[in-house]
Amino acid sequence: DQQVKQNSPSLSVQEGRISILNCDYTNSMFDYFLWYKKYPAEGPTFLISISSIKDKNEDGRFTVFLNKSAKHLSLHIVPSQPGDSAVYFCAARTSGGSNYKLTFGKGTLLTVNP
Amino acid sequence: KAGVTQTPRYLIKTRGQQVTLSCSPISGHRSVSWYQQTPGQGLQFLFEYFSETQRNKGNFPGRFSGRQFSNSRSEMNVSTLELGDSALYLCASSLMGFEQFFGPGTRLTVL
Repeated sequence: DQQVKQNSPSLSVQEGRISILNCDYTNSMFDYFLWYKKYPAEGPTFLISISSIKDKNEDGRFTVFLNKSAKHLSLHIVPSQPGDSAVYFCAARTSGGSNYKLTFGKGTLLTVNP
Repeated sequence: KAGVTQTPRYLIKTRGQQVTLSCSPISGHRSVSWYQQTPGQGLQFLFEYFSETQRNKGNFPGRFSGRQFSNSRSEMNVSTLELGDSALYLCASSLMGFEQFFGPGTRLTVL
């Protein structure tokens, strides 16, 4: 049972436009969400996170939106740059106790065309 | 501050052999988690260690094991390797359990 789903395996956008990556989750116990970017042959790099007490978090060109009622989050990248081309993973965890386990989606390959 | 390091970066083994992978976390981080990445399954959680104790374990067979040392360095061992164990093995360290910082991974190929 996949608890974190990224239904779009790939996304292609033009440089300068907005990239929107989507993620859905099924486990209502998740209350902390993260986005990672991964280049080939490298480990994932942390991008941005959001707690369930918020519905939006911004960091430069990256904004994450959380819709708890829909169990949906999205990552917006504005403006998109060719260097943003990578696989983006959505991850979730419960923050209670000593549970540090992250549950990942299968990723979305973003291609930003010059 | 140095990032998470993993050794070796690449490894080729044959079926039936065993392998040990090493991970050094970011200085001061006491939590180390291991993940397996395969093309079909994405990143899957293996286990997490904190202060030399395994606190969480994913849904992997007992052939996968790990340990953590007093300096927070961690090792992962896979015994009786199978072809399906070919994957990128990623280690991540964390200070407070929220943001996890990943190493570059060890690419294991089982022939």
